Amino acid sequence: DVKVTQSSRYLVKRTGEKVFLECVQDMDHENMFWYRQDPGLGLRLIYFSYDVKMKEKGDIPEGYSVSREKKERFSLILESASTNQTSMYLCALAGKDQPQHFGDGTRLSIL
Amino acid sequence: GENVEQHPSTLSVQEGDSAVIKCTYSDSASNYFPWYKQELGKGPQLIIDIRSNVGEKKDQRIAVTLNKTAKHFSLHITETQPEDSAVYFCAATQNTGNQFYFGTGTSLTVIP
Repeated sequence: DVKVTQSSRYLVKRTGEKVFLECVQDMDHENMFWYRQDPGLGLRLIYFSYDVKMKEKGDIPEGYSVSREKKERFSLILESASTNQTSMYLCALAGKDQPQHFGDGTRLSIL
Repeated sequence: GENVEQHPSTLSVQEGDSAVIKCTYSDSASNYFPWYKQELGKGPQLIIDIRSNVGEKKDQRIAVTLNKTAKHFSLHITETQPEDSAVYFCAATQNTGNQFYFGTGTSLTVIP
């Protein structure tokens, strides 16, 4: 089974803080993705990565950055958290020509 | 880019009845269409998928149909059970391992 591990299930941070969300895989898959999920808006892609040190912007990258220093770990960074970044964050990964598999998400609240 | 629309946003059915969720897509180059089920407190789980060279695929009580000409695809759940209650997402993509474009989700409630 594909296992996608997100470091925290729930996280509470304050406005202006730098926030790190971590995603780890044990499948050696090339492709990793970060989505945010909001009611009525579905899943919206923030960033994705095809390989180590490679990143591509998704549909809503503003206010976020990512880091992929090792193949198994893909980090989402909120440089200066704001209340409109309160959301559910989902990490996904996919092998070549394989569908995406998701972690259980991190519910992030920015106060 | 691709635009995927999903309807309805909420759906309630009696246990044992069928449920149908419909999605349309805009990019004729899309060729892979997965469906995900998301239970409360969990991430989306792939339940069935279909490629553009196939018109229908079935897995026990779940089936997906694809009409490439009309650019729409549907999820059919027969003999619904309470454990089918969840949020369902459709998606479309040109390349299986790359960016998926998701619909906005359908919250299905199966009433015992």
